[in-house]
Amino acid sequence: EVQLVESGGGLVQPGRSLRLSCAASGFTFDDYAMHWVRQAPGKGLEWVSGINWNSGSTGYADSVKGRFTISRDNAKNSLYLQMNSLRAEDTALYYCAKASRDFWTRGYMDVWGKGTTVTVSS
Amino acid sequence: DIQMTQSPSSLSASVGDRVTITCQASQDINNYLNWYQQKPGKAPKLLIYDASNLETGVPSRFSGSGSGTDFTFTISSLQPEDIATYYCQQYDNLLTFGGGTKVEIK
Repeated sequence: EVQLVESGGGLVQPGRSLRLSCAASGFTFDDYAMHWVRQAPGKGLEWVSGINWNSGSTGYADSVKGRFTISRDNAKNSLYLQMNSLRAEDTALYYCAKASRDFWTRGYMDVWGKGTTVTVSS
Repeated sequence: DIQMTQSPSSLSASVGDRVTITCQASQDINNYLNWYQQKPGKAPKLLIYDASNLETGVPSRFSGSGSGTDFTFTISSLQPEDIATYYCQQYDNLLTFGGGTKVEIK
């Protein structure tokens, strides 16, 4: 069964850091690009970041550029999101999603995890 | 950045009705447009990719059309299990989601 399981969310103070993880199984992880997508409480979906199959290219939404870093470890079938300088507006449910292709700039997201919740508050 | 304007933001229709949602891009995105369904408390699910291609296993009452800047998503006969919020998403330049359309049963 193809599966993505996010972890690492929690309550964090503004200005602090948090690292999210996504464990993939059931498919050849290093064949596909991966994404992070978030959803603030009661709001719509917002793409956060994407990474190519080999980490050779990454992309970020303007709202997180310079603060968040996406990475992956193909040997561990894992995706990560390092979030620094967190703000209240980063509070959201963070989803890990598998891309349909090896490049994050193309295709669609065909497998999603259940998400991990990040709350930024003092 | 490409903006995606989805309308309406919500709608109420009867079982069996034809439901149409539109998505307009702020610039030409070719056919680089996907549609997702999100049921309450669940992760999004891909329905349509590249504007008009039905994802495997998705009922044929769902369809998509359009190219360039104007796209349409249609449910030909609304079913109770279709209650959800629907999102368009472009990937011509970075990725952007539309604001969503919440579909309810009248």
